[in-house]
Amino acid sequence: KNEVEQSPQNLTAQEGEFITINCSYSVGISALHWLQQHPGGGIVSLFMLSSGKKKHGRLIATINIQEKHSSLHITASHPRDSAVYICAVGLHNTDKLIFGTGTRLQVFP
Amino acid sequence: DVKVTQSSRYLVKRTGEKVFLECVQDMDHENMFWYRQDPGLGLRLIYFSYDVKMKEKGDIPEGYSVSREKKERFSLILESASTNQTSMYLCASSLVVTRSYNEQFFGPGTRLTVL
Repeated sequence: KNEVEQSPQNLTAQEGEFITINCSYSVGISALHWLQQHPGGGIVSLFMLSSGKKKHGRLIATINIQEKHSSLHITASHPRDSAVYICAVGLHNTDKLIFGTGTRLQVFP
Repeated sequence: DVKVTQSSRYLVKRTGEKVFLECVQDMDHENMFWYRQDPGLGLRLIYFSYDVKMKEKGDIPEGYSVSREKKERFSLILESASTNQTSMYLCASSLVVTRSYNEQFFGPGTRLTVL
């Protein structure tokens, strides 16, 4: 069993829909990261959080430490949100990350 | 802004060739990482360097070696390329702030095809 599990693996949506991507993990963590990877490869960091909720524009990330679960929400989705979204966790006393396998999102006009 | 650059976006090599992938970061980060990314498997750590000339094996080091002679540059070497090393290779770097601060900054990736 992977230490970081994401769901769903693939997601399609119509423009304007509310999107939720889930991440569950089985290890103790220092922080959880949400990353975005557009076609072509480059990965950018969206959020790093260790508790509560963070918001940036139309993106919202939440984490429940007790339940070892995080969600990434996209409000009013747009075709430019089409990308792979990756959840990663950082462990205590290490600089390494453990990655989920990603969720491929396609938003159609 | 942190900038992590990789020497090539696309690379095609033949089986048995020695392959060098170069990564450079411009923000004086101590840590540098090499990952490969394959469909359905996510990012897997090949090697990690936490200082000049220091390295640590990741989860899948077999068939790879690394070199870090300068702080800003981390090279991945495929001593004798094989077809199962066809993959997307991503470099990343991070700053050592505290042991709980581990945000990584990624390069654009190199898609390597070994024929």
